[in-house]
Amino acid sequence: DVQLVESGGGLVRPGGSLRLSCAVSGLSFNNVWMTWVRHTPERGLEWVGRIKDEADGGTADYAAPVKGRFTISREDSQNTVFLQMDNLKIEDSAVYHCNTKKCGGGNCNDYWGQGTLVTVSS
Amino acid sequence: SYELTQPPSVSVSPGQTARITCSGDALPKKYTYWYQKKSGQAPVLVIYEDNKRPSGIPERFSGSSSGTLATLTISGAQVEDEADFYCYSTDTTTSRYPLFGGGTKLTVL
Repeated sequence: DVQLVESGGGLVRPGGSLRLSCAVSGLSFNNVWMTWVRHTPERGLEWVGRIKDEADGGTADYAAPVKGRFTISREDSQNTVFLQMDNLKIEDSAVYHCNTKKCGGGNCNDYWGQGTLVTVSS
Repeated sequence: SYELTQPPSVSVSPGQTARITCSGDALPKKYTYWYQKKSGQAPVLVIYEDNKRPSGIPERFSGSSSGTLATLTISGAQVEDEADFYCYSTDTTTSRYPLFGGGTKLTVL
């Protein structure tokens, strides 16, 4: 079975930093793009960013609200993707999920972690 | 900035057909995906590439796309389908990155 498990969430003050991790098992991690998505009841689902696999350059892209503050990286030897969040703002409070999706060949395999809660508050 | 626009809420009685729309200027060029999100749970993909259903998703879920409008249809909605539904596609205008619609609360009662 494929599993994605996030960790690293918690309470942090505005301006602070957190590093989230997403450990992946059950699939060929070095062949997949990994995405971070966050959710709040007020704003719904929000795409945060993604990192491509090494074959596609291993580069990361970010949504405008987090660009310049968040950094996505991956360690293929550990089957883990990271989300470094700096200069956190109150509006960054959310449940953060990691996700990977591969569609083709008549099906679409879409996997999510259960999420980790980030609360930014003074 | 580019947006995917969904109605905030849709309400149907059990057994009726629920239709949730998603509009966006880039939808003619990019696939639409649909996610079901229940409180405290991870999102579940119910439609991919406009109209394909992943394995394990009930047949009552279907999708279509025409021009700038994509539609998720739940034929014979059931109480357990009550959730928030989000469309997901790609911005081809400015960022060229994926984004979600604002979400639609489906009530079945």
